[in-house]
Amino acid sequence: SQTIHQWPATLVQPVGSPLSLECTVEGTSNPNLYWYRQAAGRGLQLLFYSIGIGQISSEVPQNLSASRPQDRQFILSSKKLLLSDSGFYLCAWSAPGLSQETQYFGPGTRLLVL
Amino acid sequence: GQSLEQPSEVTAVEGAIVQINCTYQTSGFYGLSWYQQHDGGAPTFLSYNALDGLEETGRFSSFLSRSDSYGYLLLQELQMKDSASYFCAVSGSARQLTFGSGTQLTVLP
Repeated sequence: SQTIHQWPATLVQPVGSPLSLECTVEGTSNPNLYWYRQAAGRGLQLLFYSIGIGQISSEVPQNLSASRPQDRQFILSSKKLLLSDSGFYLCAWSAPGLSQETQYFGPGTRLLVL
Repeated sequence: GQSLEQPSEVTAVEGAIVQINCTYQTSGFYGLSWYQQHDGGAPTFLSYNALDGLEETGRFSSFLSRSDSYGYLLLQELQMKDSASYFCAVSGSARQLTFGSGTQLTVLP
């Protein structure tokens, strides 16, 4: 069966500090991978998605970046965090190909920027 | 672009039936999905409709009318554990999901 891991679970960072959140998927090959951000009480905003190693599409201009160094690894980074970067960051995967409607989410990382 | 509208809150009692509506506007449309998210947890997939009609999965059903750009999630025999946020999401021309703002369902004893 497939599993998706995210770490850390929670993170408190000062403004201006760097960020690295990691997501890994097990039990599947060549998944589509996604990073979302969810503000408190709000819906999910798609930040990045990837259909393969090194292939990243950005949906929202911001100070965040994403990388996919391995098939089942997706990393979200920032060089300098802003207060507005606080939120719940969710990684998700879907089966390879065009079937992106069914997505499976990791447990998420709660980020608080102070 | 895409936009979705769903009620922000719904309250019902245990054992009742509740319907959560979702209307959407999208430049391209492949289907409508529903996700459940408990407080502090991650969203979990519930259902997906690509064609008009009703899809049933146990106590949950989802309906789609492509001509009306409308769908709903129907929850029957409500249980306390159904208290959660429910999100509709459209799969548009880019084959990505755009999520609604969510409906907070509260089930009362």
